[in-house]
Parts: sequence; structure tokens; C-alpha cells
Amino acid sequence: QKEVEQNSGPLSVPEGAIASLNCTYSDRGSQSFFWYRQYSGKSPELIMFIYSNGDKEDGRFTAQLNKASQYVSLLIRDSQPSDSATYLCAVIAGITQGGSEKLVFGKGTKLTVNP
Amino acid sequence: DAGVIQSPRHEVTEMGQEVTLRCKPISGHDYLFWYRQTMMRGLELLIYFNNNVPIDDSGMPEDRFSAKMPNASFSTLKIQPSEPRDSAVYFCASTWTGLNTDTQYFGPGTRLTVL
Repeated sequence: QKEVEQNSGPLSVPEGAIASLNCTYSDRGSQSFFWYRQYSGKSPELIMFIYSNGDKEDGRFTAQLNKASQYVSLLIRDSQPSDSATYLCAVIAGITQGGSEKLVFGKGTKLTVNP
Repeated sequence: DAGVIQSPRHEVTEMGQEVTLRCKPISGHDYLFWYRQTMMRGLELLIYFNNNVPIDDSGMPEDRFSAKMPNASFSTLKIQPSEPRDSAVYFCASTWTGLNTDTQYFGPGTRLTVL
């Protein structure tokens, strides 16, 4: 089982709709979760960090974490064409051999918001 | 601040050659991260430094890869000898805090092609 899984998409939503991006992870002990946005040909951009069960809201973005079910999701309200990008989920999953935290990324979900 | 600076932006080399990628983090940031991104493997954390000291290099794929941070304003990622499978986009990022952060600033990346 892959450590962090995302639906590769593409996910297509109309402008103004809610886009829902999902991510599941395998390490039950994971404590920290991240969402990155990456426009085509550009660098990733960290947009959300969540570590507590429940919701975390930042503008039109809401991250939802459910540790019992081992998933984290990102909701984008009032989606805009400028939200069209690939969204990467990342999880600090376990400890490396050197004793440091291990950051693992999903492959990303491509989102297209249609005008 | 100019942000995270990476050089070169593009590098084309032949198999067996040594490749050196460079990064200047944002002034005042104590942590520096090196990532690699390919279509096959997605985004991977290779190594990260705190106050110029390598904290975790478990993501470095093999001994051909090495990274140094001789001072707070400069880091290098070296591949010797390079192989075609090293072709990827390499990102450098920096932050004030470690992995558990809601702010991380990425450089523009170096696109490496090994022929």
C-alpha cells in the first residue's frame, strides 16, 4: 500500500462550485498534514498545514482531517479558474532510519475549474 | 528579499558528468530543503539542513548524490556521476521552522536533463 494516495484526476468543476480533493495515508501514527498547490511548470506552494482533527479554514480553502479514518481533504469554495493546478498532499509519516521525521508526498490531483 | 534563488535554471549534461546545483535560501531562514520531482516518482524530499547541519538525508537516492551547506546563505546538491534517470526538476526551499510549518518558500527549480 502506498504511503500517501491521491486520485490523480483530472478533477473538473465549474466556476463557483466546491472542489473536493481527497488524500488517504497509511501510517496511523502520522501527525502533520500538508496541502501544496503547483501550477503547471511552476514550483509547489504550501497552502495548508493541519495537525488536529477537524477543519481548518483559510479564506476559500478548508482542510479537513480525520485521523481515525486516515484521510485529509481540501475543499475549495467558490472555485475560480485561477485555482486550476495540481494539488499535492503530504504527510509526515513515521521516522526515518536517522531518527528524523519522514515527509511523504502523494502524486497529486490535477484540478481544472471551467469558466 | 529576492526569495529562494537557484542556479542554474536549466542544465543539460551527458551521462557520467558531474552536476552541481546551487541554492541561496531566504536570509534568516534556518532550514533548507532539497526536493526532486519526476513524473514517475512525484515530489520527493531528498535532504534538509538546520543551521547548516544535515538533519536527514534518507531521501538521497544513492551515494552519487551529495549535498552541502557551507554557510547560512549557500547550499549545493552534487551528482557524480550523473545518469539519465537523474533527469528531474530539483527544488530548493527554505523556512524559519522545520518540517512542521505552514510557511515554506520554494525556489524556481533547476530542470536537469542527463543525456
